[in-house]
Amino acid sequence: KQEVTQIPAALSVPEGENLVLNCSFTDSAIYNLQWFRQDPGKGLTSLLLIQSSQREQTSGRLNASLDKSSGRSTLYIAASQPGDSATYLCAVRPEWETSGSRLTFGEGTQLTVNP
Amino acid sequence: EAQVTQNPRYLITVTGKKLTVTCSQNMNHEYMSWYRQDPGLGLRQIYYSMNVEVTDKGDVPEGYKVSRKEKRNFPLILESPSPNQTSLYFCASSRGLAERYQETQYFGPGTRLLVL
Repeated sequence: KQEVTQIPAALSVPEGENLVLNCSFTDSAIYNLQWFRQDPGKGLTSLLLIQSSQREQTSGRLNASLDKSSGRSTLYIAASQPGDSATYLCAVRPEWETSGSRLTFGEGTQLTVNP
Repeated sequence: EAQVTQNPRYLITVTGKKLTVTCSQNMNHEYMSWYRQDPGLGLRQIYYSMNVEVTDKGDVPEGYKVSRKEKRNFPLILESPSPNQTSLYFCASSRGLAERYQETQYFGPGTRLLVL
Protein backbone atom coordinates (compact mmCIF):
# COMPACT_ATOMS: atom_id res chain seq x y z
CA LYS A 1 0.00 0.00 0.00
CA GLN A 2 1.33 3.40 -1.00
CA GLU A 3 2.29 5.71 1.84
CA VAL A 4 3.19 9.34 1.39
CA THR A 5 5.14 11.21 4.05
CA GLN A 6 5.84 14.91 4.24
CA ILE A 7 8.57 16.45 6.33
CA PRO A 8 8.52 18.74 8.18
CA ALA A 9 4.94 18.81 9.45
CA ALA A 10 5.26 22.52 10.13
CA LEU A 11 7.74 25.19 9.13
CA SER A 12 8.06 28.83 10.08
CA VAL A 13 10.43 31.10 8.17
CA PRO A 14 11.07 34.83 7.83
CA GLU A 15 9.97 36.56 4.68
CA GLY A 16 12.42 36.39 1.80
CA GLU A 17 13.91 33.05 2.72
CA ASN A 18 14.22 30.22 0.20
CA LEU A 19 12.81 26.96 1.50
CA VAL A 20 12.36 23.31 0.61
CA LEU A 21 9.46 21.05 1.44
CA ASN A 22 9.95 17.31 1.24
CA CYS A 23 7.69 14.48 0.14
CA SER A 24 8.53 10.79 0.09
CA PHE A 25 6.51 7.82 -1.13
CA THR A 26 7.01 4.13 -0.54
CA ASP A 27 5.97 2.71 -3.92
CA SER A 28 7.93 4.12 -6.83
CA ALA A 29 5.39 2.82 -9.38
CA ILE A 30 3.67 6.15 -9.76
CA TYR A 31 1.99 7.78 -12.72
CA ASN A 32 2.51 11.33 -11.58
CA LEU A 33 2.95 13.49 -8.50
CA GLN A 34 1.14 16.71 -7.67
CA TRP A 35 1.80 19.47 -5.21
CA PHE A 36 -1.22 21.26 -3.82
CA ARG A 37 -1.74 24.26 -1.62
CA GLN A 38 -4.54 24.32 0.96
CA ASP A 39 -5.74 27.54 2.54
CA PRO A 40 -8.08 27.56 5.56
CA GLY A 41 -11.71 27.56 4.48
CA LYS A 42 -10.80 26.90 0.89
CA GLY A 43 -10.22 23.87 -1.21
CA LEU A 44 -6.96 22.56 -2.56
CA THR A 45 -5.26 24.40 -5.39
CA SER A 46 -2.98 22.46 -7.69
CA LEU A 47 0.46 24.05 -7.93
CA LEU A 48 2.53 21.68 -10.03
CA LEU A 49 2.07 18.28 -11.61
CA ILE A 50 5.11 16.18 -12.52
CA GLN A 51 4.76 13.18 -14.78
CA SER A 52 6.71 10.07 -13.82
CA SER A 53 9.02 10.60 -16.81
CA GLN A 54 9.87 14.16 -15.78
CA ARG A 55 12.48 15.41 -13.36
CA GLU A 56 11.09 18.80 -12.47
CA GLN A 57 8.46 21.41 -13.12
CA THR A 58 8.60 25.14 -12.53
CA SER A 59 5.95 27.76 -12.04
CA GLY A 60 7.04 31.23 -11.02
CA ARG A 61 8.86 31.02 -7.69
CA LEU A 62 7.99 27.35 -7.31
CA ASN A 63 10.09 24.46 -8.50
CA ALA A 64 9.18 20.83 -7.91
CA SER A 65 11.56 17.96 -8.49
CA LEU A 66 10.91 14.25 -8.70
CA ASP A 67 13.26 11.34 -8.13
CA LYS A 68 10.98 8.45 -8.85
CA SER A 69 13.48 5.67 -8.17
CA SER A 70 14.24 6.92 -4.69
CA GLY A 71 10.63 7.83 -3.97
CA ARG A 72 11.19 11.51 -3.29
CA SER A 73 9.97 14.88 -4.38
CA THR A 74 10.83 18.37 -3.21
CA LEU A 75 9.02 21.65 -3.55
CA TYR A 76 11.34 24.63 -3.61
CA ILE A 77 9.89 28.06 -2.87
CA ALA A 78 12.11 31.00 -3.69
CA ALA A 79 11.96 34.34 -1.91
CA SER A 80 9.06 33.34 0.32
CA GLN A 81 6.28 35.83 1.03
CA PRO A 82 3.62 36.01 3.77
CA GLY A 83 1.06 35.13 1.11
CA ASP A 84 2.77 31.75 0.73
CA SER A 85 1.56 30.78 4.19
CA ALA A 86 -0.62 27.70 3.75
CA THR A 87 -0.53 23.94 4.03
CA TYR A 88 1.29 22.22 1.18
CA LEU A 89 0.25 18.72 0.22
CA CYS A 90 1.82 16.28 -2.16
CA ALA A 91 -0.13 13.48 -3.78
CA VAL A 92 0.81 10.57 -6.02
CA ARG A 93 -1.22 8.67 -8.53
CA PRO A 94 -0.33 4.98 -8.82
CA GLU A 95 0.92 3.56 -12.10
CA TRP A 96 -1.76 0.88 -12.10
CA GLU A 97 -4.58 3.38 -11.78
CA THR A 98 -5.99 3.29 -15.29
CA SER A 99 -9.66 3.68 -14.49
CA GLY A 100 -9.79 6.61 -12.16
CA SER A 101 -7.94 9.50 -10.68
CA ARG A 102 -7.18 8.04 -7.28
CA LEU A 103 -4.57 10.02 -5.43
CA THR A 104 -2.72 9.16 -2.24
CA PHE A 105 -1.98 12.25 -0.20
CA GLY A 106 0.59 13.11 2.37
CA GLU A 107 -0.55 14.89 5.51
CA GLY A 108 1.00 18.14 4.46
CA THR A 109 3.49 20.72 5.64
CA GLN A 110 2.02 23.78 7.32
CA LEU A 111 4.11 26.75 6.22
CA THR A 112 4.12 30.13 7.96
CA VAL A 113 6.07 32.99 6.41
CA ASN A 114 6.55 35.80 8.89
CA PRO A 115 6.74 39.43 7.69
CA GLU B 1 -15.08 30.96 -13.99
CA ALA B 2 -14.01 27.31 -13.91
CA GLN B 3 -14.88 25.90 -10.53
CA VAL B 4 -16.11 23.09 -8.37
CA THR B 5 -18.88 24.06 -5.97
CA GLN B 6 -20.11 22.23 -2.90
CA ASN B 7 -23.14 22.76 -0.73
CA PRO B 8 -23.57 23.15 2.10
CA ARG B 9 -20.24 24.47 3.30
CA TYR B 10 -21.01 23.74 6.94
CA LEU B 11 -23.46 21.24 8.35
CA ILE B 12 -24.34 20.06 11.84
CA THR B 13 -26.64 17.07 12.03
CA VAL B 14 -27.60 14.21 14.33
CA THR B 15 -26.89 10.52 14.09
CA GLY B 16 -29.12 8.71 11.64
CA LYS B 17 -30.55 11.70 9.82
CA LYS B 18 -29.98 11.25 6.09
CA LEU B 19 -28.10 14.03 4.36
CA THR B 20 -26.76 14.90 0.93
CA VAL B 21 -23.79 17.07 0.07
CA THR B 22 -23.97 18.36 -3.47
CA CYS B 23 -21.04 18.85 -5.82
CA SER B 24 -21.11 20.50 -9.20
CA GLN B 25 -18.39 21.35 -11.76
CA ASN B 26 -18.63 23.56 -14.83
CA MET B 27 -15.55 22.31 -16.69
CA ASN B 28 -17.18 19.37 -18.50
CA HIS B 29 -14.86 17.02 -16.61
CA GLU B 30 -15.40 13.29 -16.84
CA TYR B 31 -13.79 12.36 -13.54
CA MET B 32 -15.23 13.36 -10.22
CA SER B 33 -14.42 12.13 -6.75
CA TRP B 34 -15.04 12.65 -3.07
CA TYR B 35 -12.41 12.83 -0.35
CA ARG B 36 -12.54 13.22 3.37
CA GLN B 37 -9.80 14.90 5.37
CA ASP B 38 -9.09 14.00 8.98
CA PRO B 39 -6.26 15.04 11.30
CA GLY B 40 -3.51 12.46 11.32
CA LEU B 41 -5.03 10.59 8.38
CA GLY B 42 -4.79 13.13 5.60
CA LEU B 43 -7.07 13.07 2.59
CA ARG B 44 -8.64 9.75 1.69
CA GLN B 45 -10.79 9.00 -1.32
CA ILE B 46 -14.36 7.88 -0.64
CA TYR B 47 -15.82 7.30 -4.11
CA TYR B 48 -15.00 8.30 -7.64
CA SER B 49 -16.78 8.42 -10.96
CA MET B 50 -15.26 8.00 -14.40
CA ASN B 51 -18.32 9.30 -16.20
CA VAL B 52 -22.10 9.43 -16.08
CA GLU B 53 -23.56 6.31 -14.44
CA VAL B 54 -20.06 4.95 -13.71
CA THR B 55 -18.99 5.04 -10.07
CA ASP B 56 -16.57 3.01 -7.97
CA LYS B 57 -15.35 2.75 -4.41
CA GLY B 58 -12.30 4.55 -3.17
CA ASP B 59 -10.37 3.77 -0.01
CA VAL B 60 -13.07 4.52 2.58
CA PRO B 61 -16.53 3.99 1.02
CA GLU B 62 -18.33 2.51 4.02
CA GLY B 63 -21.35 4.54 5.08
CA TYR B 64 -21.49 6.60 1.89
CA LYS B 65 -23.34 6.48 -1.41
CA VAL B 66 -22.92 8.48 -4.58
CA SER B 67 -24.70 8.90 -7.87
CA ARG B 68 -23.71 10.37 -11.22
CA LYS B 69 -26.84 10.98 -13.24
CA GLU B 70 -25.44 14.05 -14.95
CA LYS B 71 -21.89 14.85 -15.95
CA ARG B 72 -21.66 18.02 -13.89
CA ASN B 73 -23.10 16.72 -10.59
CA PHE B 74 -21.79 14.16 -8.13
CA PRO B 75 -23.70 14.21 -4.83
CA LEU B 76 -22.45 12.42 -1.72
CA ILE B 77 -25.16 10.74 0.33
CA LEU B 78 -24.95 9.70 3.95
CA GLU B 79 -27.97 7.48 4.53
CA SER B 80 -27.46 7.16 8.27
CA PRO B 81 -24.66 9.45 9.44
CA SER B 82 -22.62 8.50 12.47
CA PRO B 83 -20.21 10.57 14.59
CA ASN B 84 -17.19 8.92 12.94
CA GLN B 85 -18.24 10.60 9.70
CA THR B 86 -17.53 13.99 11.22
CA SER B 87 -14.93 15.33 8.84
CA LEU B 88 -14.00 17.85 6.17
CA TYR B 89 -15.22 16.69 2.78
CA PHE B 90 -13.86 17.69 -0.61
CA CYS B 91 -15.22 17.09 -4.06
CA ALA B 92 -12.77 17.09 -6.97
CA SER B 93 -12.91 16.81 -10.74
CA SER B 94 -10.47 16.27 -13.58
CA ARG B 95 -10.40 15.57 -17.30
CA GLY B 96 -10.96 12.13 -18.79
CA LEU B 97 -8.65 9.42 -20.09
CA ALA B 98 -7.85 11.28 -23.30
CA GLU B 99 -6.20 13.94 -21.22
CA ARG B 100 -4.71 11.63 -18.62
CA TYR B 101 -1.29 13.26 -18.74
CA GLN B 102 -2.71 16.62 -17.88
CA GLU B 103 -5.16 15.54 -15.28
CA THR B 104 -4.72 18.19 -12.65
CA GLN B 105 -7.47 17.76 -10.11
CA TYR B 106 -9.64 20.73 -9.22
CA PHE B 107 -11.06 20.79 -5.74
CA GLY B 108 -14.16 22.33 -4.26
CA PRO B 109 -13.97 24.57 -1.16
CA GLY B 110 -14.89 21.79 1.24
CA THR B 111 -17.87 20.89 3.43
CA ARG B 112 -17.32 20.70 7.15
CA LEU B 113 -19.67 18.14 8.66
CA LEU B 114 -20.34 17.55 12.34
CA VAL B 115 -22.46 14.54 13.32
CA LEU B 116 -23.69 14.61 16.90
